[in-house]
Amino acid sequence: DAEITQSPRHKITETGRQVTLACHQTWNHNNMFWYRQDLGHGLRLIHYSYGVHDTNKGEVSDGYSVSRSNTEDLPLTLESAASSQTSVYFCASSEFGTGSEKLFFGSGTQLSVL
Amino acid sequence: DAKTTQPTSMDCAEGRAANLPCNHSTISGNEYVYWYRQIHSQGPQYIIHGLKNNETNEMASLIITEDRKSSTLILPHATLRDTAVYYCIVHDPSGTASKLTFGTGTRLQVTL
Repeated sequence: DAEITQSPRHKITETGRQVTLACHQTWNHNNMFWYRQDLGHGLRLIHYSYGVHDTNKGEVSDGYSVSRSNTEDLPLTLESAASSQTSVYFCASSEFGTGSEKLFFGSGTQLSVL
Repeated sequence: DAKTTQPTSMDCAEGRAANLPCNHSTISGNEYVYWYRQIHSQGPQYIIHGLKNNETNEMASLIITEDRKSSTLILPHATLRDTAVYYCIVHDPSGTASKLTFGTGTRLQVTL
């Protein structure tokens, strides 16, 4: 069955380190998204991509970057981790142009920056 | 995308219907109503979506008022496993505007 997987499930890192969170989908979807979720907030969009070599900033993109070199993967990089980036991160994908925004989400990565 | 308003929390007895309201008074003609839910510690899960007509699938029913300014998600026979945060989202899926904006949703607690 097609799926979307995130790794690692849990990550602890130190302030200032570079961290990369992986997202891999086998739906062959054009669209991929990264969200973060903090207590008391809904999901907030970090970056998104509509296809290979396409990337766009979301509402909370500062301190994060993404690259899309193939259809299946959209890794999220924290260039220099900060304590404010302690959060749960969700990756999602959807098919473009279907007329419905049915997002498929991964199980999330819990990131702690100490 | 138009803004939505949902109650912060609701309770429902197991086996009864759970009716979750959503207000979207500024919805425009091309915008759909989407519902997702998030069970604790998991990624959000798509439930249902609609434009004008009422919709039903194996998970739930979506009732949209004639003026489209509000809608109700109905879980016909709620179970403990339906305890989750439910998000109502209004969005125009045309063109390249694929990104959905999630608010804080309604926390539904299903009790024995």
